[in-house]
Amino acid sequence: DGGITQSPKYLFRKEGQNVTLSCEQNLNHDAMYWYRQDPGQGLRLIYYSQIVNDFQKGDIAEGYSVSREKKESFPLTVTSAQKNPTAFYLCASSQVGSGANVLTFGAGSRLTVL
Amino acid sequence: SQQGEEDPQALSIQEGENATMNCSYKTSINNLQWYRQNSGRGLVHLILIRSNEREKHSGRLRVTLDTSKKSSSLLITASRAADTASYFCATRDQTGANNLFFGTGTRLTVIP
Repeated sequence: DGGITQSPKYLFRKEGQNVTLSCEQNLNHDAMYWYRQDPGQGLRLIYYSQIVNDFQKGDIAEGYSVSREKKESFPLTVTSAQKNPTAFYLCASSQVGSGANVLTFGAGSRLTVL
Repeated sequence: SQQGEEDPQALSIQEGENATMNCSYKTSINNLQWYRQNSGRGLVHLILIRSNEREKHSGRLRVTLDTSKKSSSLLITASRAADTASYFCATRDQTGANNLFFGTGTRLTVIP
């Protein structure tokens, strides 16, 4: 089945630790995105990548880092510099050049800082 | 911020009734999309309307777009308990960037 796989689904972190969230897609999409969602809120863009080995900051990139070494993979690292990392993280992908930019989302990863 | 806003924030209706949600946005857009999110899950794309369209239908969904008022509405007819979810509008602006900007969502509860 084609889709986006995020792992882990739940993650607990102690303050001061870095954690990496995985996002893998087999849709052959060029673009990939990371969003953060806080309770009762909309989605805020953290980082996006439209092509391998290139990515851009979104609205709330501080305290986060990404890499795009393969088309299929776009891992997100939540660093200790992120002051309030407890949130629901959503990865998405889309086909560049379609004119519409419809996003396909993963099931999400919930990060809790203890 | 280019983030849109949905109205109302929460809506509770009886099964079989129609549900209407509104979205307002701030900038000129290329298209507007509606997504659905079940609790604790990812978002699922429902329908897209382009800036040169005024109305679009898909099954029980009807979307309207008024670019002069920078607003859109999503109508779900003959609602079912399974329609219970949060609904988000998302806009793609005209700058050519590939990003979508999401609204704050409407939480719909359909009571059986």
